[in-house]
Formats: sequence, structure tokens, C-alpha cells
Amino acid sequence: DAGITQSPRHKVTETGTPVTLRCHQTENHRYMYWYRQDPGHGLRLIHYSYGVKDTDKGEVSDGYSVSRSKTEDFLLTLESATSSQTSVYFCAISPGKTDTDTQYFGPGTRLTVL
Amino acid sequence: DAKTTQPPSMDCAEGRAANLPCNHSTISGNEYVYWYRQIHSQGPQYIIHGLKNNETNEMASLIITEDRKSSTLILPHATLRDTAVYYCIVRGTNTGNQFYFGTGTSLTVIP
Repeated sequence: DAGITQSPRHKVTETGTPVTLRCHQTENHRYMYWYRQDPGHGLRLIHYSYGVKDTDKGEVSDGYSVSRSKTEDFLLTLESATSSQTSVYFCAISPGKTDTDTQYFGPGTRLTVL
Repeated sequence: DAKTTQPPSMDCAEGRAANLPCNHSTISGNEYVYWYRQIHSQGPQYIIHGLKNNETNEMASLIITEDRKSSTLILPHATLRDTAVYYCIVRGTNTGNQFYFGTGTSLTVIP
């Protein structure tokens, strides 16, 4: 399995509080991604990064920000959590070396916003 | 990226081959077919991908029709641990492109 860890694995928080999720990789891959998974929607991309300090939005980026100050860490921040952000969050990585790179996923973080 | 259509659920007897179909009639020439699976609550796991030739690895085989409008993932000897949701994804060659996961096929392997 690719060396990807996510922390925390489970979190319960209240509406209006800030939340930061961390994705850490040991593969030195260039690309990192944050997805969310909700029933009936499959996985949807929130943000991705194609290098240190280089990020871009996905299809459901509203309400989320990201930062990548080191190759190995990609942080997802909910500035003011809402109940609609209750979801399972997955981080993924890919090498970024070929046009057919696959993505490898972490174990997920289950976030509940009350 | 082209859209894919998969049956919502399938059953397969343990030890038999599981054949999971996928339609991608709008696929374009530079788009690859990828298969992932997700075992309950875990992160999606890469299985296999291909462009137009059939592919095989230690997990599965991928059969792509000559017109590339459909494909089949074959698990040759299904086990109970293969029970999962299987996603067929068509993706272009821009390495920044996301993988569009639909709702997939829920495969249940029956003892």
C-alpha cells in the first residue's frame, strides 16, 4: 500500500468551528488530492495540489481551503464547519510523472459536524 | 471526461469468475479506462487500467471492446474478500485531472 496517512481518522465538531485535516505521504509524489464521499454522490474532488504551494480547485471547493508547504503534507481546512460538510474525506496521491498515473488513496477521515 | 454506466449491484458465487460490465459510449481516443474498488469504509483501491488492448495483472483482467464503448472487469476466482463497490472510470491524460467516481457496482460474493 502507498504510504499515506490521514489524521485524525475520526472527528466530531460543532457548527462554526474551524477544522483542519492532515494528509501525510512518504512516497514523495508530486500530486495530492482531497475528495469527499457522501451517499449517492460517489467521490467528489475538493482541491488538489500539483506541487509545493501549487493548488487548484475541484468541483466542490466552496467552504474549503488547502495548503501545501511541504511535499509530504497536504492540509484541508474548513474555516467554519457546517453540517453539510459532514462526510468522509479521502486524500489521494499520484506521482505526476506519466499521463496515465493512477491515484492511491488514504484510509479516510470521518468528520461529523453537529 | 466520458461518463460511465454500471449496474448498481451484482452477485457472484465464491470461486466463480465475476464479470463486471461498464458502458462508456462517449469515450474519446485519448481516454483510458480505470477500475477501482472500495471495500466497506476503506479508501478506494486501484485495480487496473487500459487504453484499447486487454490488460491483466495479479488482481484482475480488463477486456475493452474493439470500438472502446464498453469494457468488462474480470475477477477470475472471486473470494469473499472481493465483496466491494467497483468503480469504472474514464479519464483523459492530463495528470491533474480528477477521477470522476460515480456510484459504481456493489458486488456481493456469496459463499
